[in-house]
Amino acid sequence: DVKVTQSSRYLVKRTGEKVFLECVQDMDHENMFWYRQDPGLGLRLIYFSYDVKMKEKGDIPEGYSVSREKKERFSLILESASTNQTSMYLCASSRPGQGAREQYFGPGTRLTVT
Amino acid sequence: KNQVEQSPQSLIILEGKNCTLQCNYTVSPFSNLRWYKQDTGRGPVSLTIMTFSENTKSNGRYTATLDADTKQSSLHITASQLSDSASYICVVIMYNAGNNRKLIWGLGTSLAVNP
Repeated sequence: DVKVTQSSRYLVKRTGEKVFLECVQDMDHENMFWYRQDPGLGLRLIYFSYDVKMKEKGDIPEGYSVSREKKERFSLILESASTNQTSMYLCASSRPGQGAREQYFGPGTRLTVT
Repeated sequence: KNQVEQSPQSLIILEGKNCTLQCNYTVSPFSNLRWYKQDTGRGPVSLTIMTFSENTKSNGRYTATLDADTKQSSLHITASQLSDSASYICVVIMYNAGNNRKLIWGLGTSLAVNP
């Protein structure tokens, strides 16, 4: 079974802090994604990556950056956390063919910025 | 504008009953459509994927239909169980520039199955 893990289930940070969200997948997938999910807005793509050291902006990249130094690991970075970044963050991975292949999701990290 | 609309927004049914969730989309050009189940506090899990040429696909007690002409899909749940309580999200995948694909997510239908 594909397994996607995220470093924390719940996280509370203060405004202005630098926040790292880690995602690891064990299926050797080339593609990895970061979404945020908010009530009434659904899932929105922040960043995605097709390969190591490669990244592409999604629909809402502002205020975020990513890092993919190893194939299995995709990190989301909030350079200076703000309260409007309080959300559920979901990581996903898939085989090549962005969107054409099923995405496997991690359990999510619920981030609260106070 | 490429959109995916789901209805109803929420639904409460009794255990053992059937229900149907709707997904209408205006996405073009269409690649395929997926239904995901998301338990509270968890990531989405894929239920079915449907391509343009498929009308019906089943996965256990879940049956998805697709009418590409009217741009409508439905997810039918038979003999509901308490464990079916979750959010069901419809996702339409469209062809994007450079033959890439983009996912357009619906907001989901929240289903509660009561004993």
